[in-house]
Amino acid sequence: LAKTTQPISMDSYEGQEVNITCSHNNIATNDYITWYQQFPSQGPRFIIQGYKTKVTNEVASLFIPADRKSSTLSLPRVSLSDTAVYYCLVGDMQRAGANNLFFGTGTRLTVIP
Amino acid sequence: DAGITQSPRHKVTETGTPVTLRCHQTENHRYMYWYRQDPGHGLRLIHYSYGVKDTDKGEVSDGYSVSRSKTEDFLLTLESATSSQTSVYFCAISEPPAGGYTFGSGTRLTVV
Repeated sequence: LAKTTQPISMDSYEGQEVNITCSHNNIATNDYITWYQQFPSQGPRFIIQGYKTKVTNEVASLFIPADRKSSTLSLPRVSLSDTAVYYCLVGDMQRAGANNLFFGTGTRLTVIP
Repeated sequence: DAGITQSPRHKVTETGTPVTLRCHQTENHRYMYWYRQDPGHGLRLIHYSYGVKDTDKGEVSDGYSVSRSKTEDFLLTLESATSSQTSVYFCAISEPPAGGYTFGSGTRLTVV
């Protein structure tokens, strides 16, 4: 089972780039890497998903090295509204629903003015 | 989120009483999930469904049951609520292989 390890918390100043790394040493061939963002009193929200190399969308980039044993979520120029908990999730999306997806406790990002 | 709603949003109940939480989706997604979220534990899967009348247990299923009689509704029942079931409950939907999960806004349940 591809469980993940993330830092418990991180602080950053407004306007800086933030990189959150997730370790997933037991990642399987069919597993995708997905990141979610959660604000207080809300459900997690999908940010980005990737399988290998680099993926970029309008809010973030996801870097995945060749061995896929880790991944890095990059948030460019964070603002106060990016203060949230970020979860890294690794699993086989073809088998979504199987008991092989673990959210863990996430990384609490605090953006400082 | 649009397309998935949970009810009620808040509930206080007494120990030993049955409680049912409802998740309703308008996305016609095949998979539906119930998670609970507690401090220090993150999100943990309770039960999930992969179709009408098709359900399976998750990581923390003891004390919970589910039912899915229609594609759009997934019910979570606490047969006899206990204080350890005080938590925030999230419903999620997905339609693999595309994308990830879409979560509801959560139900805060307090068992006194």
